Amino acid sequence: AQTVTQSQPEMSVQEAETVTLSCTYDTSESDYYLFWYKQPPSRQMILVIRQEAYKQQNATENRFSVNFQKAAKSFSLKISDSQLGDAAMYFCAYSSKDAGNMLTFGGGTRLMVKP
Amino acid sequence: GAVVSQHPSWVICKSGTSVKIECRSLDFQATTMFWYRQFPKQSLMLMATSNEGSKATYEQGVEKDKFLINHASLTLSTLTVTSAHPEDSSFYICSAIRGGNSNQPQHFGDGTRLSIL
Repeated sequence: AQTVTQSQPEMSVQEAETVTLSCTYDTSESDYYLFWYKQPPSRQMILVIRQEAYKQQNATENRFSVNFQKAAKSFSLKISDSQLGDAAMYFCAYSSKDAGNMLTFGGGTRLMVKP
Repeated sequence: GAVVSQHPSWVICKSGTSVKIECRSLDFQATTMFWYRQFPKQSLMLMATSNEGSKATYEQGVEKDKFLINHASLTLSTLTVTSAHPEDSSFYICSAIRGGNSNQPQHFGDGTRLSIL
């Protein structure tokens, strides 16, 4: 079974600074997808970024980028120029076609942004 | 596009009653929908996978007679919590995948906060 681990329960960053959230996963599959979801206090799940395992190039979405290390099974999220609105729970997630496209979530990291 | 609507957003009811939660894909067809449960300050736990026209697949430890799932059309899945008790109080979230394409991400509803008195 696949597992996703987020080792940082909480992180704090100063506004306008950069922060990196860690995520590791375990799988025996070669074709899979990795995601970062943001959950603000409203509890809505918002897709931040998505990475396909067969693509070596790291995904980027504006201020959000990932460092995907397939051999190390690591998938960290970097948030640049942090904004107050970035404060939320961030969940790393894994899915694969062989697993029926179900998402396996990490435990989450609470990000606080200091003004 | 890819909007998922979940209703109701919040429900409070007495112990012993049954509660139905709806999950609708508004602008796309979803062969597969998923139901998650989230306790306070915890991650999302998959309860079941709902496939249109067939029986849901439940995760280990989830009582299928307690949590009835119906996926009668390509745009609607329902979760019914039968004879709800206080321990069923939680945040329930659904998600849907556009069509049956494994390349598509899951799109989430806004969730339902269920409180059983």
